[in-house]
Amino acid sequence: AQKITQTQPGMFVQEKEAVTLDCTYDTSDQSYGLFWYKQPSSGEMIFLIYQGSYDEQNATEGRYSLNFQKARKSANLVISASQLGDSAMYFCAMREPYSGGGADGLTFGKGTHLIIQP
Amino acid sequence: DAGVTQSPTHLIKTRGQQVTLRCSPKSGHDTVSWYQQALGQGPQFIFQYYEEEERQRGNFPDRFSGHQFPNYSSELNVNALLLGDSALYLCASSSRDRVWYEQYFGPGTRLTVT
Repeated sequence: AQKITQTQPGMFVQEKEAVTLDCTYDTSDQSYGLFWYKQPSSGEMIFLIYQGSYDEQNATEGRYSLNFQKARKSANLVISASQLGDSAMYFCAMREPYSGGGADGLTFGKGTHLIIQP
Repeated sequence: DAGVTQSPTHLIKTRGQQVTLRCSPKSGHDTVSWYQQALGQGPQFIFQYYEEEERQRGNFPDRFSGHQFPNYSSELNVNALLLGDSALYLCASSSRDRVWYEQYFGPGTRLTVT
């Protein structure tokens, strides 16, 4: 089974509208972390937002917020007031505990290609 | 404050050759992870280095090896290159005590195997 599922391969959104990018995850661990990254065509992965499994409040960073629904294993990214510069690939990722102690490497979804139209 | 840097930016190699990619972590970071991103896919975790040792490893063959130096910089080596090794190789760094919620990526090295 996929650990991270992003069901929207591509999205077209009008500038200034809000956008929700879907992400569901699968883990049996109680302690885990969820990340969203933006990847422009240049290739660099830009960190957007983080949510810990024990965090009671939804994470927010400027125009980005994470709609965390633990029981549904859902961690959707919401971008308010979208801008042309938001056009990029967006990846949801999860970090789980490593059996030898510490945190394992990130597991990424396949991504959503977001295009903001003027 | 310099972020994560990687070299070279692009590289073209022939099947069977060996390649070395380099990464310098963000200032203050001591943990380096490497990821492979094939075209149209999300990155896949290769391995993570801390205190000059490989700590965790993803599902990659032994042809993929690495090294971390005392200054925390790291190298990724790939032997006996295959066409399927063509990808964007990303390095990410964090500090050990923040590794759960912090992972900053470099610009990547694009490797083409012909």
